Amino acid sequence: NAGVMQNPRHLVRRRGQEARLRCSPMKGHSHVYWYRQLPEEGLKFMVYLQKENIIDESGMPKERFSAEFPKEGPSILRIQQVVRGDSAAYFCASSPLPLGGSTDTQYFGPGTRLTVL
Amino acid sequence: AQKVTQAQTEISVVEKEDVTLDCVYETRDTTYYLFWYKQPPSGELVFLIRRNSFDEQNEISGRYSWNFQKSTSSFNFTITASQVVDSAVYFCALSVLKTSYDKVIFGPGTSLSVIP
Repeated sequence: NAGVMQNPRHLVRRRGQEARLRCSPMKGHSHVYWYRQLPEEGLKFMVYLQKENIIDESGMPKERFSAEFPKEGPSILRIQQVVRGDSAAYFCASSPLPLGGSTDTQYFGPGTRLTVL
Repeated sequence: AQKVTQAQTEISVVEKEDVTLDCVYETRDTTYYLFWYKQPPSGELVFLIRRNSFDEQNEISGRYSWNFQKSTSSFNFTITASQVVDSAVYFCALSVLKTSYDKVIFGPGTSLSVIP
């Protein structure tokens, strides 16, 4: 049973380019969460998605960032016109149910490390 | 508002020493979960434990133990007889019910270095 998969593991972009980060949740998981970890900091929630729906994007910057979780395929976090401040590790987590009231937890992927030159 | 504080930014211990990582949380909710995650130098996040707010029993798993005290809003993590492989950043996290789902709030992390 494969865990949460993220690719690429490392991504280098120049300022102004686009970055696409992919997350394949664990089999049977239909809830995906994206977090960002800036250097020397903890993880900060960005967005929560269910299949084809964005449930909560309160942690995501209003501009240049978008996320989707289509019916088929991985969840995508897209950053347009990247700037140096976007350099961070981006983690995806998945769960089979919403955490509220459940006994399950979020399972994290290995992260994608984005470096903007 | 919810918040997780890990006052210790960095800790260094000599191998075989015991070490306690502190975690203090804030929430007005009565139902919540607390977590500890380990992030080794390779960067992935490793789940260590989840505890719900109604279970104040301390837990021991091998060299790891956790002390949950609601009276002081603390969920401290102790590693007994530390080893070099324990060197990592450790995150304490809090999850509270928000409408129909939880959002996990992470502390800033404590970087543990175990010196041989």
